[in-house]
Amino acid sequence: KNEVEQSPQNLTAQEGEFITINCSYSVGISALHWLQQHPGGGIVSLFMLSSGKKKHGRLIATINIQEKHSSLHITASHPRDSAVYICAVRSLGGETSGSRLTFGEGTQLTVNP
Amino acid sequence: KAGVTQTPRYLIKTRGQQVTLSCSPISGHRSVSWYQQTPGQGLQFLFEYFSETQRNKGNFPGRFSGRQFSNSRSEMNVSTLELGDSALYLCASSFEGQNTEAFFGQGTRLTVV
Repeated sequence: KNEVEQSPQNLTAQEGEFITINCSYSVGISALHWLQQHPGGGIVSLFMLSSGKKKHGRLIATINIQEKHSSLHITASHPRDSAVYICAVRSLGGETSGSRLTFGEGTQLTVNP
Repeated sequence: KAGVTQTPRYLIKTRGQQVTLSCSPISGHRSVSWYQQTPGQGLQFLFEYFSETQRNKGNFPGRFSGRQFSNSRSEMNVSTLELGDSALYLCASSFEGQNTEAFFGQGTRLTVV
């Protein structure tokens, strides 16, 4: 079983829909990242969370440390939101864990006009 | 300020050759991590450098190595290339490492023929 599991793997939505992507992890973490990857490869960091909720524009990320679960929500989705969304965790491990990230497999989101 | 810069963006090499990839972090960032992304394995951690020292290493063979210079720029080297080394290689920089946001470069796409 992977340390980080994402669902769904693929998601197709119509423009304007509310979207939720889920991430579950099995290890103790110091932080969880939500990343966005467009075709061509570049990765953009959307959020870094260690507790609670963060909002940036139409994006909202939440994390429940006790349940080891995080969600990424996109409100009023738009075709330009089409990308792969990746959840990544930084495990607890003291100084030796450094900035090592463990990644989920990603969610391919397609938003149709 | 300038983002994380990776060079070259694309590279084609022949089996058995070696390759060196470069990553220039955001100014002031001391931590540089390297990741390999393939369709089959997803994103996997290679190693992390902090203040010129390797702080963490992933589960890759010794053919994969790296270093960091005093200006925090990092290089990774792959010797005796194999077809399976074809991948997108990404680096990420952060200010300190553990609980600071990671900023990714555009990646170097390596094709081994």
